[in-house]
Amino acid sequence: NAGVTQTPKFQVLKTGQSMTLQCAQDMNHNSMYWYRQDPGMGLRLIYYSASEGTTDKGEVPNGYNVSRLNKREFSLRLESAAPSQTSVYFCASRGGSGETQYFGPGTRLLVL
Amino acid sequence: GENVEQHPSTLSVQEGDSAVIKCTYSDSASNYFPWYKQELGKRPQLIIDIRSNVGEKKDQRIAVTLNKTAKHFSLHITETQPEDSAVYFCAASQPLSGTYKYIFGTGTRLKVLA
Repeated sequence: NAGVTQTPKFQVLKTGQSMTLQCAQDMNHNSMYWYRQDPGMGLRLIYYSASEGTTDKGEVPNGYNVSRLNKREFSLRLESAAPSQTSVYFCASRGGSGETQYFGPGTRLLVL
Repeated sequence: GENVEQHPSTLSVQEGDSAVIKCTYSDSASNYFPWYKQELGKRPQLIIDIRSNVGEKKDQRIAVTLNKTAKHFSLHITETQPEDSAVYFCAASQPLSGTYKYIFGTGTRLKVLA
């Protein structure tokens, strides 16, 4: 099992450009999450999906949209990138009766 | 909403000494408290967790304690080794909308000096 995978690993954007970060998990988990990690601020929740077909806002949703394409995939879209969105983005999943989250390897995004 | 405070932000210890990282949470509905280790450029990895019906849990050199009344929980690492150097995050989790929501602390950078 690959666990949680993310693409791309690294991306440079210009202000105003759009892009979609992809996340997939092969653990048959119902719940998936998107976080951003900035220096000194820990991990902050952007959006989450409790199950296929549902999505909800987290702490910092402004400037982002998400799609739960199917049970495996959860994508994060930046419609018009801003320098403040420069960050490392982590996808995570959780499933079954356990509370443990499993993280993907992250996407490092630089917005110029 | 839930808020998690983590202290200290940096911690340096001599190899072989113990390290303690403390977290406090605000929402009494939180009932699951994981700790993650993150090495430079890598993803967070779960190292130990504790549920609200347990006061202490140990796994070899790592232990976590929970004081529900005071809303405190702590990570204890004994006999520290250079490979323990990393950033450690605590989190508080509670059921929400059919899943669990996690609020993370701001992290502690641990340096183990050889």
